[in-house]
Amino acid sequence: DAGITQSPRHKVTETGTPVTLRCHQTENHRYMYWYRQDPGHGLRLIHYSYGVKDTDKGEVSDGYSVSRSKTEDFLLTLESATSSQTSVYFCAIGGSSGNTIYFGEGSWLTVV
Amino acid sequence: DAKTTQPNSMESNEEEPVHLPCNHSTISGTDYIHWYRQLPSQGPEYVIHGLTSNVNNRMASLAIAEDRKSSTLILHRATLRDAAVYYCILGYTGNQFYFGTGTSLTVIP
Repeated sequence: DAGITQSPRHKVTETGTPVTLRCHQTENHRYMYWYRQDPGHGLRLIHYSYGVKDTDKGEVSDGYSVSRSKTEDFLLTLESATSSQTSVYFCAIGGSSGNTIYFGEGSWLTVV
Repeated sequence: DAKTTQPNSMESNEEEPVHLPCNHSTISGTDYIHWYRQLPSQGPEYVIHGLTSNVNNRMASLAIAEDRKSSTLILHRATLRDAAVYYCILGYTGNQFYFGTGTSLTVIP
């Protein structure tokens, strides 16, 4: 395992409520990513971070915000959850070795 | 951003070699070629990556065309545990890694 922990692993929430997913790493990697995965769409990049307080948008960033106040934590926030944000969310990390990224186990989010 | 093209699905008999193709005609000089696989209800698992030369590891081999516009992931002896969705993506750490829909590999006993 690449030292990545996602929390919560499963969550059911109501439409309109805020939700925060946490990605925690113990590898001291510089780069962190949030993806969502839906049937028929594969994995799509939401946001990524290239350092503390340095983040950028991916291809499906609308409705999501992120924060990275320390190297080990990358938070994904849904300010007002909608049913279209029901998905599986994966965090990934990448560092100086290997030029590749490693994924967490996923967070299953259901918005009802 | 450079994209990849993979077949939607492939089948292989157990214990036979599998060659999974990937086309990436717009690859840039700094893009590494990465392969991941994903089992149901799990996160993508790193398989192998390379830049220009062929690569081997305990899981698979990666054959990269001389012009780098295509590559092939080779599983030397398919097992039932190799049944998964295989993704070929381009990128390097610090850049955006874009995944397509991958190739769903079925292994027939």
